[in-house]
Amino acid sequence: EAGVAQSPRYKIIEKRQSVAFWCNPISGHATLYWYQQILGQGPKLLIQFQNNGVVDDSQLPKDRFSAERLKGVDSTLKIQPAKLEDSAVYLCASSPLWNTEAFFGQGTRLTVV
Amino acid sequence: GQNIDQPTEMTATEGAIVQINCTYQTSGFNGLFWYQQHAGEAPTFLSYNVLDGLEEKGRFSSFLSRSKGYSYLLLKELQMKDSASYLCAVQTGANNLFFGTGTRLTVIP
Repeated sequence: EAGVAQSPRYKIIEKRQSVAFWCNPISGHATLYWYQQILGQGPKLLIQFQNNGVVDDSQLPKDRFSAERLKGVDSTLKIQPAKLEDSAVYLCASSPLWNTEAFFGQGTRLTVV
Repeated sequence: GQNIDQPTEMTATEGAIVQINCTYQTSGFNGLFWYQQHAGEAPTFLSYNVLDGLEEKGRFSSFLSRSKGYSYLLLKELQMKDSASYLCAVQTGANNLFFGTGTRLTVIP
């Protein structure tokens, strides 16, 4: 079974530029999560989708971050414009059902300079 | 809001037993997960508790007390490869999954 795919693996941009991350969850997984993990901290939930609908985006900085999951399969997370404090690993995860484990992708390491 | 607390760092000796505690205060509770994360890698699932009590899986066990908002992860017969961060995560309503800050465990010879 293929895992959660994310791209790119690494990205370096200058502040005020824009960037987009892509995630393809495990086939058939209805729930998709985007997390931000700053070095030395636990993952922080940014947004959660159930199929193509948003379940929770309460911690998403909506003035600069946006996410979509068209057709309820793959998803993109965008930052525009980026700030220095956005430097982090962006993790995508998916799960098939309620009360089951989430499977994580390898993440995208973003460095804003 | 969600509040999930874990110790920041722990050190233990190879072959020993270590217990990593997690306390939580969340709006809603549907279960508690433990994940392992090696440096530079993605978190991987270790255990899941939804009912009070102990779940054992090889060298790893996890305990939950819902009334106390408390869980621990017990690692036995520690090996060097167990050096990693251990993340406690609470699942609330609507399948939300919130993580604590993680405990970085260092196993020394």
